[in-house]
Amino acid sequence: SQQGEEDPQALSIQEGENATMNCSYKTSINNLQWYRQNSGRGLVHLILIRSNEREKHSGRLRVTLDTSKKSSSLLITASRAADTASYFCATRVETSGSRLTFGEGTQLTVNP
Amino acid sequence: GAVVSQHPSWVICKSGTSVKIECRSLDFQATTMFWYRQFPKQSLMLMATSNEGSKATYEQGVEKDKFLINHASLTLSTLTVTSAHPEDSSFYICSAPLLATGELFFGEGSRLTVL
Repeated sequence: SQQGEEDPQALSIQEGENATMNCSYKTSINNLQWYRQNSGRGLVHLILIRSNEREKHSGRLRVTLDTSKKSSSLLITASRAADTASYFCATRVETSGSRLTFGEGTQLTVNP
Repeated sequence: GAVVSQHPSWVICKSGTSVKIECRSLDFQATTMFWYRQFPKQSLMLMATSNEGSKATYEQGVEKDKFLINHASLTLSTLTVTSAHPEDSSFYICSAPLLATGELFFGEGSRLTVL
């Protein structure tokens, strides 16, 4: 079964608005990571949050993790047209080493 | 930062031919590399874990004879799609972990189109 499920599948907002994407997972994790993928390109690592952390910030990004609900959220504040991309959460299970399991992704479109 | 290079970035081939995709860690050593497959508008699905000096570990449902993986050095892993068919057309992405931090670095991907 897919470890990470994300919602919404697609999100369209206006520049300047905030974008929130959610991710749920099923098993215990070591950490959860968020990645960005521009169309037809590789993945870019955005932020990592460990299982003992609840919130983390990086620039305009804010990630939360609720291990009791097995869920995480990614908030992008003051969005820009250049933020248009697919965003994936990925979980690292405690016994999986470096192996990551990816969620289905959220396609974010920021309209200028 | 660490860089993973993937080559070719795109390839078009005829049905029945074999295609090799290379994944290189440019400024760090990687005893393990991961190969993913991604269909349009879908997520990344892990195909196999490439292990330097030993056999790759394949995910359930992935044909090891179809997708040959070789990890002959600490900086290079190759994926060969043998006897390719149109249904093998996909975006293939590799990644390698930086052991010091555990962070995964991804190649830019290789788009395979089988005619």
